[in-house]
This record gives sequence, structure tokens and C-alpha cells, in this order.
Amino acid sequence: AQKITQTQPGMFVQEKEAVTLDCTYDTSDPSYGLFWYKQPSSGEMIFLIYQGSYDQQNATEGRYSLNFQKARKSANLVISASQLGDSAMYFCAMRSPVNYGQNFVFGPGTRLSVLP
Amino acid sequence: DGGITQSPKYLFRKEGQNVTLSCEQNLNHDAMYWYRQDPGQGLRLIYYSQIVNDFQKGDIAEGYSVSREKKESFPLTVTSAQKNPTAFYLCASSGRTGAYEQYFGPGTRLTVT
Repeated sequence: AQKITQTQPGMFVQEKEAVTLDCTYDTSDPSYGLFWYKQPSSGEMIFLIYQGSYDQQNATEGRYSLNFQKARKSANLVISASQLGDSAMYFCAMRSPVNYGQNFVFGPGTRLSVLP
Repeated sequence: DGGITQSPKYLFRKEGQNVTLSCEQNLNHDAMYWYRQDPGQGLRLIYYSQIVNDFQKGDIAEGYSVSREKKESFPLTVTSAQKNPTAFYLCASSGRTGAYEQYFGPGTRLTVT
């Protein structure tokens, strides 16, 4: 079964510091995609970053980077230079050919609070 | 501008009434999804559709119904059979090939009293 685990229900980080949000996944498919989404208090889900299972390099998008460790089935999100606007829920998700026909698999989320 | 629209943003209904949430996309995506989110929780899949005139149940389809008569539209009806309908509902769409991300609408917050 496909599964995403996010073990940190809540995280705090000081403004301008870096923070790592953990995500581990479980799949038997060799081909899959990993995604991170941000959900601010307004509720909308905002796509942040994507990593393909065959990508050789870790994905980066501005202040976001994905620390992809395939052997450990880990896809942690790193946010550098945190800003107050980064305070939100963060969801890790996976899509693979097995579950494509059904859905994305989402983790339970991590609530990040950035302190001034 | 391309995107997904959901209306209304807030919806109030009396218990026992059916209510339909709208979802429209102009991204030319084949696949569309409906999720339910309860406070402090993750997303749970209600229904999804890969192509017009076809849809499949997700993890919590009981008490909900959908239709997909047009590629752009995927309305969700919350029926009176849904025992606890008060929640935040998110619609999403994605491409059918590759590893395309899901694009989400702004959501509809439904309150049933």
C-alpha cells in the first residue's frame, strides 16, 4: 500500500533560520513523484516543489529544496531563510502508476510556525 | 487566467437538505478530484474522475455524489445521507500523464446546522 508519513505534527522556527520538514513514503513502484504543498490559513493548497523518483539531483525552487534520499524513502522539505508568511500547514504527497488511477496519497501534514 | 474556481467560498445549509458544490477548471486537465478536510486534519479523497462521463469512488464516498458531463466541470453533491457534512471541501485537477502536480481550487467551507 502507498503511504506517506509526516512525524512532526508541529514545528517552530525562528525567522530567517532554516527548517526541515520530514516526510517518508512507502511504495513498491520504481517510478513515482513526490510533492510538497503549503496550506495557509486561507485554506488553499499551494504547490511548492516536485521530485521524480529518477531525478538525479534534489529539486530546488527558490527558498525550497527537497532532500531526496531514495534508499531511505525520504523526501524532506527544507525551507531556507524562513519568513513569517511561511507559517502554514505543509503536506507531503506521492503519486505513482499504481495509485495514479485513484489519487495522490497525502500525508497528515506538519504545522509550521515562524517566530519573529 | 488559468485555474480552478469553486463557489461559493462559504455555504450554509439546514440538516436534511442536499447541497451542490461547484468546481470549474480551464486548465484543460482530464483528471479532477474532490477532497474533504476536517479541522487540523489531512485531505481525504471523496471522488475522482479521469475523463468525461467517468468517475470513481474515493475513500469516503458515502453520502456524496458527483457528475462529469463536461471536461471543465466536476460538481459535488452533499446529500442528506452524509452524516457529518460540515467540513472544508477542496477540488483539484491534474494532467493524466507524467507526474503532473494537482492544482487546487480555493475551497468551499460547508456548514450544516
